[in-house]
Amino acid sequence: DAGITQSPRHKVTETGTPVTLRCHQTENHRYMYWYRQDPGHGLRLIHYSYGVKDTDKGEVSDGYSVSRSKTEDFLLTLESATSSQTSVYFCAISEAGLAGVYEQYFGPGTRLTVT
Amino acid sequence: GESVGLHLPTLSVQEGDNSIINCAYSNSASDYFIWYKQESGKGPQFIIDIRSNMDKRQGQRVTVLLNKTVKHLSLQIAATQPGDSAVYFCAESRPPYGQNFVFGPGTRLSVLP
Repeated sequence: DAGITQSPRHKVTETGTPVTLRCHQTENHRYMYWYRQDPGHGLRLIHYSYGVKDTDKGEVSDGYSVSRSKTEDFLLTLESATSSQTSVYFCAISEAGLAGVYEQYFGPGTRLTVT
Repeated sequence: GESVGLHLPTLSVQEGDNSIINCAYSNSASDYFIWYKQESGKGPQFIIDIRSNMDKRQGQRVTVLLNKTVKHLSLQIAATQPGDSAVYFCAESRPPYGQNFVFGPGTRLSVLP
């Protein structure tokens, strides 16, 4: 298995509170991603990073921010959690070479419940 | 465990039979494709990938076929086992490459004893 960990694995929080999810990799991969997975929607990209301090928005970025100060860590922050952000969050990593990007691997996920 | 889809298409196969799971994609510029397996409560697990310059790739008990003419991808699992029961979905890498993976909705594979 690719060396990807996520913390916490489960969290319950109240509406309006800030929440930070952490993704840590030991593969030294350049690309890191945050997705959310909801019934009926599949996996949707929130933000991604293509290097330290290089990040960009994905399909569903509103209400989320990210930071990547080190290659191995990618943080996802919900500045003020809302009930619509109740979901399962997955971190993923991938690398790129001469043939292009390849092998996107996922972490175990974080189940976030906003009450 | 987490529910990955309330109304996913389901494929039921007898243990020992071969399974074929299909996926359609829409972007002709997609150059790389991945099949994932997701068990309840776990993250998607990489199974096999294929680049657009290939039409077939084989792994251990799995084969991926790519038909670019009709934008169709399939995953074949040989001698399906109970441990293969899971949700399977495909992902395509669209431009801008490395930044844009698009995932299919998934198919639930149920292996009957």
